[in-house]
Amino acid sequence: QSVLTQPPSVSEAPRQRVTISCSGSSSNIGNNAVNWYQQLPGKAPKLLIYYDDLLPSGVSDRFSGSKSGTSASLAISGLQSEDEADYYCAAWDDRLNGWVFGGGTKLTVL
Amino acid sequence: EVQLVESGGGLVKPGGSLRLSCAASGFTFSSYSMNWVRQAPGKGLEWVSSISSSSSYIYYADSVKGRFTISRDNAKNSLYLQMNSLRAEDTAVYYCARQLGIKYYYYMDVWGKGTTVTVSS
Repeated sequence: QSVLTQPPSVSEAPRQRVTISCSGSSSNIGNNAVNWYQQLPGKAPKLLIYYDDLLPSGVSDRFSGSKSGTSASLAISGLQSEDEADYYCAAWDDRLNGWVFGGGTKLTVL
Repeated sequence: EVQLVESGGGLVKPGGSLRLSCAASGFTFSSYSMNWVRQAPGKGLEWVSSISSSSSYIYYADSVKGRFTISRDNAKNSLYLQMNSLRAEDTAVYYCARQLGIKYYYYMDVWGKGTTVTVSS
């Protein structure tokens, strides 16, 4: 059972838009920045979004992040087949004094 | 190029020990907090341990507290994870990751490719 809650899977057609939710609590998302990671099959996680809504250099602007209270969302627009991956949200937890992750969401591009 | 390379994984029997290493290059290692994050086969990411730049602050997940020890050698640009009393549930790919940011605004930006630990008799 992960501290942050994500849907196990989402799917959408190419060129469409999809959102992935991440729900937490006041000790993590409510008080700390949310980060999102993309993990392609057999690869290490890659930073996708940091500080709730900022894109690292080199990340496509088809990806965007948002946060409200104790929940966050990742949106991917103009879906492409290469976006098929697992997506994880993460935040520091002040009560646990450590990082907490969502359980991961598998994105399928139909 | 900023790079993290893990090593030291392998097959170990339950109750055994293993020491993982993470070699850093391309940045000033001594300026950054570092983390170990693991991923069991077919499962999600699980944070294991964090260490601050000067080793003043060290944190562990409850699942490894008392069994694992994180350390670093800034002179050698290296991060370590000493794993004792290993259990089958410790079987995972272990990643090291660099941490940036300030309080309330942390993130892990660079990850290694991981090293695989298998605990089995």
